[in-house]
Amino acid sequence: KAGVTQTPRYLIKTRGQQVTLSCSPISGHRSVSWYQQTPGQGLQFLFEYFSETQRNKGNFPGRFSGRQFSNSRSEMNVSTLELGDSALYLCASSSGLLGQETQYFGPGTRLLVL
Amino acid sequence: QQPVQSPQAVILREGEDAVINCSSSKALYSVHWYRQKHGEAPVFLMILLKGGEQKGHDKISASFNEKKQQSSLYLTASQLSYSGTYFCGTEAGGTSYGKLTFGQGTILTVHP
Repeated sequence: KAGVTQTPRYLIKTRGQQVTLSCSPISGHRSVSWYQQTPGQGLQFLFEYFSETQRNKGNFPGRFSGRQFSNSRSEMNVSTLELGDSALYLCASSSGLLGQETQYFGPGTRLLVL
Repeated sequence: QQPVQSPQAVILREGEDAVINCSSSKALYSVHWYRQKHGEAPVFLMILLKGGEQKGHDKISASFNEKKQQSSLYLTASQLSYSGTYFCGTEAGGTSYGKLTFGQGTILTVHP
C-alpha cells in the first residue's frame, strides 16, 4: 500500500500571501489530521477531517482552514501568511476513530515565510 | 494542555536501557507513542488505551497508569536505530476527545 503523500514538499512564500497544501491519505483511510511542527512549539494539532466533515479543531486562528474531498484527499489553506507560520506541516491518516487507530504520517510540507 | 515528557534528552551506549515518561494533568483516554528521526515524519510505535494496559513489541514496550495519568516507554538493549526524538500524544476525554496533544519530545541518542 502506498503511504501518505503530501505536496508540495517545500514552499517559500512571503508575508500576506496564502498557501494551499495537499495530502493524500493511505487508500481506504477516511480520517485525515493536520499538524504544525516547529522547534519552539513542537507538534500541534490543527484539525481533523472524517468523511468530508471537520470532526475536531485545534487552537489555531481562522486563517488556518481545511477541507476534505469525497476521495478522502485533504487540503489545508493558510491565508495572510505571517512569519510565525514557517513550519513543517504534517498530515496523518487513519482508518477511523482518532484515539483508537494508528495514525500514519506523511513526509510533511516545509513552509518558509519570508 | 501539553503533556510533559521526561527526560528531555538521554544519551546511551548500545545495549543500555532507557525509560521515557509522559505525564498529563488531564484524565486520559489514550496515549500514543511516536519516534521521529531528523528530517523524517513521525513513525507510530504503539497506542495504549485507558485501562492500564502494557504493550510491547521487540525490545520496546510501554505502560499506562490511568490513576497517575502517566505513560512510560521502555527501550531495552538499545540499538543505534533507536536514536531519534520520541513523542507521546495524549487524547483526553470530553471536548478533547479525538484530539491528540503532543509532548515536547525526548531526544534519544544511542552511541556505538
